[in-house]
Amino acid sequence: EVQLVESGGGLSQPGGSLRLSCAASGFTVSSNYMSWVRQAPGKGLEWISVIYSGGNTYYADSVQGRFTISRDYSKNTLYLQMNSLRVEDTAVYYCVRDRAGRDNWGQGTLVTVSS
Amino acid sequence: DIQMTQSPSTLSASVGDRVTITCRASQSISSWLAWYQQKPGKAPKVLIYTASTLESGVPSRFSGSGSGTEFTLTITSLQPDDFATYYCQQYNSYPRTFGQGTKVEIK
Repeated sequence: EVQLVESGGGLSQPGGSLRLSCAASGFTVSSNYMSWVRQAPGKGLEWISVIYSGGNTYYADSVQGRFTISRDYSKNTLYLQMNSLRVEDTAVYYCVRDRAGRDNWGQGTLVTVSS
Repeated sequence: DIQMTQSPSTLSASVGDRVTITCRASQSISSWLAWYQQKPGKAPKVLIYTASTLESGVPSRFSGSGSGTEFTLTITSLQPDDFATYYCQQYNSYPRTFGQGTKVEIK
């Protein structure tokens, strides 16, 4: 059974950093396109980053230069390093296995950026 | 980036009603469109992919149609479990983009 379990969310001050993790089971992270999608409170879904199976990465303009997506083959885990956090980064962050429309989603982890 | 415009933003309906939600892409995405259902506090759940293919386990009262730039999600005979927010998403290219969402409320 495919499972994605996010962790690492919490409270950060503006300008701070957090690292989110997404532990996967039932498939190999490095063989798939993996994304992060976020949802601000009461708002819609916003795709923010992808790492291709080949290792290339791509970011939304809203996080370019501040966030870094990566993966660990030995731990079968996806990461999102978030630096220079802003109040507008407050959201639930979802880890997504991209299956071209039949995506698998984690349950999400809440990140709150506030002073 | 491909913009996805979804309408309406809110829809009030009764159990048993037929409901239609529309999604328009700013450029052709062929049939690379998915529909998601999201309930409060939960992750989105895929209902339909490639515009019209029903995901396994999804009730047949859900259907999707369209190609190119115009797409629809139809729910025939709305059930109590269907009151939720629905999103379209294009996966023709990155960045993946979503419609703004349609909240289906009880009338």
